[in-house]
This record gives sequence, structure tokens and C-alpha cells, in this order.
Amino acid sequence: VQLQESGPGLVKPSQTLSLTCTVSGGSTSSGGYLWNWIRQRPGKGLEWIGFIYYNGSTSYNASLRSRLGMSLETSTNQFSLRLHSVTAADTAVYFCVRSPYSNYWFGPWGQGSLVIVSS
Amino acid sequence: DIQMTQSPSSLSASIGDKVTITCQASQDIRNYLNWYQQKPGKAPKLLIYDARNLETWVPGRFSGSGSGTDFSFTINSLQPEDFATYYCQQYQNLPITFGQGTRLDIK
Repeated sequence: VQLQESGPGLVKPSQTLSLTCTVSGGSTSSGGYLWNWIRQRPGKGLEWIGFIYYNGSTSYNASLRSRLGMSLETSTNQFSLRLHSVTAADTAVYFCVRSPYSNYWFGPWGQGSLVIVSS
Repeated sequence: DIQMTQSPSSLSASIGDKVTITCQASQDIRNYLNWYQQKPGKAPKLLIYDARNLETWVPGRFSGSGSGTDFSFTINSLQPEDFATYYCQQYQNLPITFGQGTRLDIK
């Protein structure tokens, strides 16, 4: 299974960050996995953003919940992240990652997508 | 949120050394603790899940132990490819949280 993030590398403050993860070699319609987003600010550690399940149910980190949206499209084997009202603090590498449904360990990971928030 | 505290934050060691990293949780997480290796510019890779179980690709010089709040991660006989940053991660409760990382570099 391979995951690949795509989306703009530059977003203006107050706008919406949108990323898509394309899954190959596996199916987002499988009930056995969760589809996660994790970010890493420059020079910092890892922050779990949230996940979406094949049936559309989601779980978000409360620190971001008011600005977050996730969706999943099984026909294209993709899932997406939207983060609204971004600031410079949202500048980070964003990873899409799979985890088993019943155990939250992460792998495989996408290569990561650097998103810079700047005017 | 459960806070994960790794120690040390950085570590210098030589090829062939044995190194140990600790991870302490702010509350009981049973054995819901995973370890990752991250090299510069790359995504993290899962090394150990549920505190002590090695992923299939991981060499036997890596090991993990612990339960409850205190965990350790050991590399016996460091190899050149082991120099990286290591993270612990808990999944007892949401939100899933990570330690701040331990950077392991060559002395």
C-alpha cells in the first residue's frame, strides 16, 4: 500500500488548506483501516490531526476540531483534509497515514506535503 | 490529553554502542505505546507496536519494554543506519499523542 499527498504548497492566512491523499495498492472502502492525517511543524514533533473511516465517520483532535473537515471518496480511493482559517502556526509537513481500525499504530505513511501559510 | 515525555531529547553515541530511550506517560496507557524512527526529510516508520512487538522489517538489535506509564526503547550495537530521531506514541486515549522525540546522532 502506498499513500501520496497532493495539494497547494502555499496558502494565504485566513484561507483554507486543502490536501488530498491518494491510496494505491489498497482500498479506502476497506473496513479494516482508519485514514489519518498527522502534521509536523518545522523542526518540531508529530501532531495527530484526525482520522476518517470508510463509512465517513471521523475523529478529530479537539485542538483543531473547530477548523477541520475530512472527507473520503471510495470511488477514487482518496481522502481529503480541509483546515480553515489558517495562520502561520499551521505551516507544517502534512502526512496522510493508514492505521488499523482497532489499533492506532501508523503505517504506511505518505511522503509528506509541506504547506506554508504566508501572504 | 495524555502527555508523553521522552528522555533524553538528544543523544550522541558511537557505532556499536547500546542506547536506551525512555518514554513516560502522564497516565496509565497499559501497553498502548508505539515507537517510530524518522530520518531527515522522510516520513516516520513504525518500529515497535504495543510496547514490545517489532515490525517484521526491524532488526533484532531493537527492543521495547514497559507498561503502565514507563517505557523504554533500546538499540543494541548501533549501526550507521540507526542515527535518526525516535518518537514514542500512545493510543490509550484520543487524541493520540507523541513524545517530543529523541535525536540520536553520531559521537
